[in-house]
Amino acid sequence: GAVVSQHPSRVICKSGTSVKIECRSLDFQATTMFWYRQFPKQSLMLMATSNEGSKATYEQGVEKDKFLINHASLTLSTLTVTSAHPEDSSFYICSARVARGRLGYTFGSGTRLTVV
Amino acid sequence: QKEVEQDPGPLSVPEGAIVSLNCTYSNSAFQYFMWYRQYSRKGPELLMYTYSSGNKEDGRFTAQVDKSSKYISLFIRDSQPSDSATYLCAMSASHGNEKLTFGTGTRLTIIP
Repeated sequence: GAVVSQHPSRVICKSGTSVKIECRSLDFQATTMFWYRQFPKQSLMLMATSNEGSKATYEQGVEKDKFLINHASLTLSTLTVTSAHPEDSSFYICSARVARGRLGYTFGSGTRLTVV
Repeated sequence: QKEVEQDPGPLSVPEGAIVSLNCTYSNSAFQYFMWYRQYSRKGPELLMYTYSSGNKEDGRFTAQVDKSSKYISLFIRDSQPSDSATYLCAMSASHGNEKLTFGTGTRLTIIP
């Protein structure tokens, strides 16, 4: 149980275009979803926290107009990288806290974004 | 100084050996400690979750927390090639919907 499905797993896009990444909680309701970015051989860096039905909270240094987050339902959160540039190429991962009564956070399988 | 320090490795050990992975931290507010395993190009999966100081065992895995030293460890007994992955420590100050602070991860290779 407690599965977060993330799509796509890999995407290549041209510079200047936008890319949408989806995360769905399959067997639980995720009131809060976390979006991370991971560079090669580096740790996960939190980008933003999204709460169902409200605006996302962005970490310092993360451009909210570039990384649009929508959490329209209890089972779906999306991250849209707008006007992507090569420096946006990275591994993006979503995470949600496992349902009440269980511990820990469960992660999606990640999206490898390459901007050419 | 980073809030969480973790030796990135790489660490290579022979199959069957005991593996010791460690993290140190500076924020005394951290009370919840986790270890995640991440295979290449995959999302992290939760291995162990502990609260405050003490030991927790689950199969071949043992997690230790020493809050007085701000030091946590993960031990893997009878290591297997399938344990080869990157291991990340993570911690938070509360159990609620609070962000996790991660270590950089240690890349582990178990040599058959």
